[in-house]
Amino acid sequence: QKEVEQDPGPLSVPEGAIVSLNCTYSNSAFQYFMWYRQYSRKGPELLMYTYSSGNKEDGRFTAQVDKSSKYISLFIRDSQPSDSATYLCAMSARGFQKLVFGTGTRLLVSP
Amino acid sequence: NAGVTQTPKFQVLKTGQSMTLQCAQDMNHEYMSWYRQDPGMGLRLIHYSVGAGITDQGEVPNGYNVSRSTTEDFPLRLLSAAPSQTSVYFCASSYSGDTTGISDGYTFGSGTRLTVV
Repeated sequence: QKEVEQDPGPLSVPEGAIVSLNCTYSNSAFQYFMWYRQYSRKGPELLMYTYSSGNKEDGRFTAQVDKSSKYISLFIRDSQPSDSATYLCAMSARGFQKLVFGTGTRLLVSP
Repeated sequence: NAGVTQTPKFQVLKTGQSMTLQCAQDMNHEYMSWYRQDPGMGLRLIHYSVGAGITDQGEVPNGYNVSRSTTEDFPLRLLSAAPSQTSVYFCASSYSGDTTGISDGYTFGSGTRLTVV
């Protein structure tokens, strides 16, 4: 069993939809949770990070962490075609050291 | 500010050949790491370094060597290339491996696409 599980998709939605992306994990030592966005043939870029449980909002993006269920989510409101990319969850027990990544979910937002 | 620069962008090797993937950052980041990305496997950590002169193994270190003689550079060496090493390799850096620089995130290079035939 992988430490971090993520549905690979693709997830196809119309422009303006609310998108929900999720990851589950098995290692209870994880405390730092991140979401990266990766466009085709580019390196990942950090979207959001959260420490421990709770919610964090940044513009159209909201990250949620439920440590009791070992479940994290990323919500994208008013999705745009420019949001079409692969979204990777990542987590670690300490900061950015030895990040463990999910496989990524490919998101397609159609105009 | 160039960020994290990886060279080459593409490379084809024959089985058994050796080569070095270059990674350089100009942000004075202490922490650097190498990941490989394969379909269905996500990003997997190969080696990482918490500062000049200090390196350690990640999840999939076999067949790879690293060294960190300067803060800026963190090359990845393939000792004897195998088809299983066909992958996209990413170098990444951050101000610190712990929470000190967490708001700055992890800066990734644009990747090296390696094919071993």
